[in-house]
Amino acid sequence: EVHLVESGGGLVQPGGSLKLSCAASGFAFSGSTMHWVRQASGNGLEWVGRMRSKANAYATAYAASVKGRFTISRDDSKNTAYLQMNSLKTEDTAVYYCTPLGYSYEKWGQGTLVTVSS
Amino acid sequence: SSELTQDPAVSVALGQTVRITCQGVSLRTYYANWYQQRPGLAPLLVIFAKDNRPSGIPDRFSGSSSGSTASLTITGAQAEDEADYYCSSRDSSGNQWVFGGGTKLTVL
Repeated sequence: EVHLVESGGGLVQPGGSLKLSCAASGFAFSGSTMHWVRQASGNGLEWVGRMRSKANAYATAYAASVKGRFTISRDDSKNTAYLQMNSLKTEDTAVYYCTPLGYSYEKWGQGTLVTVSS
Repeated sequence: SSELTQDPAVSVALGQTVRITCQGVSLRTYYANWYQQRPGLAPLLVIFAKDNRPSGIPDRFSGSSSGSTASLTITGAQAEDEADYYCSSRDSSGNQWVFGGGTKLTVL
């Protein structure tokens, strides 16, 4: 069974940094493109970025709203994806999810809450 | 602003059929996925690659596409189908993904 567990969220001041982790199991993690998606309270879903597999050179892409501030990485030996968030803004406050978007086995974890506030 | 456009709200009588639509230029090239999100829960994939249901999703959910519009149809809506529904697909460049703004479905 596909299982995803996001962690690392919390309260951070504007301008600060935070690193999120996503532990995956139940599917071929190393061969899957992993995405991060966020959802601010009461709002819709917003795609944050993705990292492709080793076979696709670990290529990354990011939404314009986070490009240059956020970095996605992965450790296939640990079946874990990461989201490094720097220069955080109040508008980055949201629940962050990781997911193998678009695959038939796609599932979502419960997400991790990031609050950017002074 | 989202490159995929959805109606903000739709309602359906219990047991009737409802269609939720998603419009976007990129849908002429890329398939849409559909998600159900109940309050306080994570999104759940209900349709992928235009018209495929993941394991465990009831067959009353179906997907289709025509031109720049993708549709999610619920045939015989149940009370538990009341939720927010989102479409997603790649953007026009194919390099990024986008979500529609979501449609709140009310089952009367």
